[in-house]
Order: sequence, then C-alpha cells, then structure tokens
Amino acid sequence: ETGVTQTPRHLVMGMTNKKSLKCEQHLGHNAMYWYKQSAKKPLELMFVYNFKEQTENNSVPSRFSPECPNSSHLFLHLHTLQPEDSALYLCASSQEGDLYEQYFGPGTRLTVT
Amino acid sequence: QKEVEQDPGPLSVPEGAIVSLNCTYSNSAFQYFMWYRQYSRKGPELLMYTYSSGNKEDGRFTAQVDKSSKYISLFIRDSQPSDSATYLCALTNGGYNKLIFGAGTRLAVHP
Repeated sequence: ETGVTQTPRHLVMGMTNKKSLKCEQHLGHNAMYWYKQSAKKPLELMFVYNFKEQTENNSVPSRFSPECPNSSHLFLHLHTLQPEDSALYLCASSQEGDLYEQYFGPGTRLTVT
Repeated sequence: QKEVEQDPGPLSVPEGAIVSLNCTYSNSAFQYFMWYRQYSRKGPELLMYTYSSGNKEDGRFTAQVDKSSKYISLFIRDSQPSDSATYLCALTNGGYNKLIFGAGTRLAVHP
C-alpha cells in the first residue's frame, strides 16, 4: 500500500448505528487530519493530530469521535449521526510543520439514512 | 465575507485551450498558496504550492500569486481531457494554521 488509504470507501448507516472510519498513511508523516467535504462547499477541517496528540477540534459535534493510536493510523468513530452528516470524509497527512503539503486519501462516502 | 472565493464553474473548454482558474481571498496574512486537483470519487491531490508572491511553473501548469490584489491563479496550457477535474485552491498563514479551502472549480476539457 502506498500513500494514504481509507476504509471503507462507502458506508450507509442508520441514525442509531455506531460505525468507524479508518485511515492509514504510509508516508512516514507525523500529522494527520480529518476533513468533511459536502457538495458545493469547501473542505471543512474537523480534527488535527500532531504526533498522536489532538491539536485542533474545529467545533465538531460530539457524535464524531476521533482516535489516533499512533502516527500512522487515524480513526473516526461515528454514533447517532444525522442525515446532514452525509458527506465525503477525507483523511490527510503531512509532516508536522508542513501542513501546506498535505496528502489526501480517497475518502469514505457516508450516507446517513 | 468568505475568506476564500472560488467560482464553482463548471468551466468547459476544448482540448488544447489555455485554462485560467482563480481564487480571491481576504486575509492578507496568507503566505502559502496551494492548488489541489480532485478527480471524481477521489481525494484531492496536491498539484503545486507557492510561497508568498510570484509565479511557479511545473510542466503545463503555472501558479501565480498577486498578494497586492489578493488574487491567485492556476493556468493550464495545452489542456487535455485528462485535466477534467475539480480544482481547489487552499491558503494558509503557515506554521500550525489550518488550510482554508475554496469550494472548487469544476473543469471539463472536451476532445
């Protein structure tokens, strides 16, 4: 595997379900990010981890819970989501301090029914 | 006022045309200016970044920054159907400041 991988690529979940998104980076980076991309809207930064420590939580509702067990892996735990949370969730990584050079995964297309 | 404005398009051009994609911004503190390309059902891919003002060229792509006008451009020469994608501009102050993205311009290059 190369670059940034994300699983699953597609996810349909009900509002009462609990699911997790997984991201893995194979670039030796030490910063990882979660973004939300909705149709016709700019990418919205959700969370930032530097050296496994969360350094930014961009006012994200608590129904989204990130986890970063090491600098290569990032999870986004989802529970009791709303239909408006349906979007493409993108993971990215960079060298800490070089956030302008971020590398993105292919994203997870999430649909909340 | 939005921090970054980008025309969503779509922009449709014939193969071989010169394409100009643009963003305007309001925060004069931005120092790094990035262009990402996003194909359908894929994540954004960094094309190039520029620090401060000036031009940067990479093959058929040229990025231009005019800080006095708060205006950035991406030019694509000899456009190809494979250039059909959404192009996102992104800006940051640098350091630990987050990237601010434009909404993206959808480009279609037809044979």
